[in-house]
Amino acid sequence: AQKVTQAQTEISVVEKEDVTLDCVYETRDTTYYLFWYKQPPSGELVFLIRRNSFDEQNEISGRYSWNFQKSTSSFNFTITASQVVDSAVYFCALSDEVPYQGGSEKLVFGKGTKLTVNP
Amino acid sequence: DVKVTQSSRYLVKRTGEKVFLECVQDMDHENMFWYRQDPGLGLRLIYFSYDVKMKEKGDIPEGYSVSREKKERFSLILESASTNQTSMYLCASRTGGPFYEQYFGPGTRLTVT
Repeated sequence: AQKVTQAQTEISVVEKEDVTLDCVYETRDTTYYLFWYKQPPSGELVFLIRRNSFDEQNEISGRYSWNFQKSTSSFNFTITASQVVDSAVYFCALSDEVPYQGGSEKLVFGKGTKLTVNP
Repeated sequence: DVKVTQSSRYLVKRTGEKVFLECVQDMDHENMFWYRQDPGLGLRLIYFSYDVKMKEKGDIPEGYSVSREKKERFSLILESASTNQTSMYLCASRTGGPFYEQYFGPGTRLTVT
């Protein structure tokens, strides 16, 4: 069965600090997809990044970077020089390949990490 | 830009009422989803639909039903609302295939009294 664990329930940092949000996943499939979403206080989830299981290249987008390691089943998210606007709940999610392999097309979410960036 | 809209941001209903939550997307997406979000539990899938009139149960379908008569609209129905259905309800849509990201609506905060 698929599972996503975000062990950090809440993190609080001071502006300009770097912060890493952890995500550990479980799946029996060899082909799967990992996602990060941001949920600001307004409530609407915003897609940040997608990674497929065959692409272990790390990704950097501005102050955001993602580290995907299949060996440890982790897909961690780092915010460099955090800002108050980064305050949100961040979700990691997993989707496997196709229904006939026993999975489904649904997205399995972790429980989220609430990040608070204080000025 | 993809837009997913939900009929209400806040809703207050009484126990036993039949409740309809509506979701509309404007990008011709095949797949649509209903989640509920509760503190400490994250997002849990209630139902999803992969085509018009097609639906599949998610993790917590009990007490809910859905309707998808048109591709752009996916309705969540609480047949007889109960207080334990007080929650934030999120609708999402996606083009076909698990590779693609889901686009979410702003959510409906439902309170059942």
